[in-house]
Amino acid sequence: DGGITQSPKYLFRKEGQNVTLSCEQNLNHDAMYWYRQDPGQGLRLIYYSQIVNDFQKGDIAEGYSVSREKKESFPLTVTSAQKNPTAFYLCASRFSGGIGYEQYFGPGTRLTVT
Amino acid sequence: AQSVTQLDSQVPVFEEAPVELRCNYSSSVSVYLFWYVQYPNQGLQLLLKYLSGSTLVKGINGFEAEFNKSQTSFHLRKPSVHISDTAEYFCAVSDTKSDYKLSFGAGTTVTVRA
Repeated sequence: DGGITQSPKYLFRKEGQNVTLSCEQNLNHDAMYWYRQDPGQGLRLIYYSQIVNDFQKGDIAEGYSVSREKKESFPLTVTSAQKNPTAFYLCASRFSGGIGYEQYFGPGTRLTVT
Repeated sequence: AQSVTQLDSQVPVFEEAPVELRCNYSSSVSVYLFWYVQYPNQGLQLLLKYLSGSTLVKGINGFEAEFNKSQTSFHLRKPSVHISDTAEYFCAVSDTKSDYKLSFGAGTTVTVRA
């Protein structure tokens, strides 16, 4: 089955530690995205990548980093510089062939930092 | 820049009653509009999308939406809801100037009661 996997589903970390969230897709999509979801705020874009070895900052990139070494993978690192890292993180991907292609979402990772 | 306003944060509704979720957008260019649904602790699933053509768009699970360019709206409707429609619903907009990035509304929580 084609889809997007995010692991783990729940992640707990101590303040001051970096943590990496995994996102893998087997849809052969070119573009991949990371969003952060907080209650009552919808989804906010952290980073996105339209091709391998290239990525751009979204609206709230501070305190986060990404890499795109393979088409299938787009890991997100939440660094200790992120002031409020506790949130639900969603990864998405999209075929870049034209305007008609929507973003597909993974199941999300809930990160709790204490 | 594009933006989305979902006019209702919470919509309680009785089973088998109709429901309408309101969405207004702003953009300086032609837009592409989407409605997504999110069940608790899950990713987002596409309900329907408007790219061009007919202003009435039909989606999955009996949902439909109407694009109104003059009112810059894209309201979602279902004539008869089920308990299983209890979820959070997000309106999103994309355009050619934004690299097809999505801007999301804050979401509307629909609670269906028996």
